[in-house]
Amino acid sequence: AQSVAQPEDQVNVAEGNPLTVKCTYSVSGNPYLFWYVQYPNRGLQFLLKYITGDNLVKGSYGFEAEFNKSQTSFHLKKPSALVSDSALYFCAVSPFNRDDKIIFGKGTRLHILP
Amino acid sequence: ETGVTQTPRHLVMGMTNKKSLKCEQHLGHNAMYWYKQSAKKPLELMFVYSLEERVENNSVPSRFSPECPNSSHLFLHLHTLQPEDSALYLCASSQDPGAVYEQYFGPGTRLTVT
Repeated sequence: AQSVAQPEDQVNVAEGNPLTVKCTYSVSGNPYLFWYVQYPNRGLQFLLKYITGDNLVKGSYGFEAEFNKSQTSFHLKKPSALVSDSALYFCAVSPFNRDDKIIFGKGTRLHILP
Repeated sequence: ETGVTQTPRHLVMGMTNKKSLKCEQHLGHNAMYWYKQSAKKPLELMFVYSLEERVENNSVPSRFSPECPNSSHLFLHLHTLQPEDSALYLCASSQDPGAVYEQYFGPGTRLTVT
């Protein structure tokens, strides 16, 4: 069965420091991987996706993610955190097989400390 | 804004009431989705529509009834709900229902069943 895991419920980072939000997945075949962010009282907002090609994907607001096939991971990163990055972050996996549905992780709350 | 609107933003209803949630997308997309977001649980995909045809129904109770009159509008009709149905209901759209396409979410309807 396919799954996606975000092992940390919450991540705290000081402003200006690099941040990492972790995501691992388990699917059969090649996955499509996504990161979304949710600010308070808002819906999810697309950040970036990996389809194929370069393992390092760049997205909105200076975020990037690295696809690691051997470790089945797709961690979200940013070189220098801003207080405004504080939000709830979701990793999602869509399997190549159209019979399987998209699955979201349970989310990681990111707190950037001023 | 993401180009996806939802009304109402907040709804309180009794278990015997009938109400409807509305979603409209202004992006020219062909696929629309309903999700349920509950505290401490992963995002749950409820329904998928492609060009007004329902293509996925993820074992959702019949007290939730979707309707897609055209590719820009999506409704979720609610009747005889249970308190455990209280959640944030999110609508989303994408260019097509294929796994490669990112989704654009509305702000959600916060539903409370009393």
